Amino acid sequence: GAVVSQHPSWVICKSGTSVKIECRSLDFQATTMFWYRQFPKQSLMLMATSNEGSKATYEQGVEKDKFLINHASLTLSTLTVTSAHPEDSSFYICSARSSVLSRNNEQFFGPGTRLTVL
Amino acid sequence: GENVEQHPSTLSVQEGDSAVIKCTYSDSASNYFPWYKQELGKRPQLIIDIRSNVGEKKDQRIAVTLNKTAKHFSLHITETQPEDSAVYFCAASRGGSNFGNEKLTFGTGTRLTIIP
Repeated sequence: GAVVSQHPSWVICKSGTSVKIECRSLDFQATTMFWYRQFPKQSLMLMATSNEGSKATYEQGVEKDKFLINHASLTLSTLTVTSAHPEDSSFYICSARSSVLSRNNEQFFGPGTRLTVL
Repeated sequence: GENVEQHPSTLSVQEGDSAVIKCTYSDSASNYFPWYKQELGKRPQLIIDIRSNVGEKKDQRIAVTLNKTAKHFSLHITETQPEDSAVYFCAASRGGSNFGNEKLTFGTGTRLTIIP
């Protein structure tokens, strides 16, 4: 149980285009989903926290108009990188928390999406 | 906000020896401390976690100790094996409610290399 998937696993796009990344909880309902960005050889940096049906809460320094988050259901959250530029190239990882399955504050992580912007 | 520091950034250990990674945190309200193992290009895997009402927790070769007064916690891996080679991250979080939005703040990571 507590499986989180992401799609796509990797994507290459041209500068100026938009890319959508999906995060799904496959066998549970996720009350909260989190989006992280990880640059090479660096730690996971939280971008935003989202709850189903409400607006995402963005971390300081993260542009909400550039990184659009939609959490339309208890099993799906999407991150859209708008007008992507080479500096947006990174490993994007989502995680989900379940009110039923999460012990303490445990988060279940997706496999990540490698974004390369040319 | 919370700040989590992690040391060392790299650690090389002879196979069979022990490895210790240390973290400190700044928010005295944090009460959940997980440790993750991440292999290259893959998701972080939870390997052990501890709540603030416990000082030590052990799971086979892995143990975590917590000193809430000093605001630091450590990961101990004994009898290290080549497959233990990976990047390890500590993290800290407030709360304990399963309904909360409490976020994890990650440490900077430790690249552990086990030398055969």
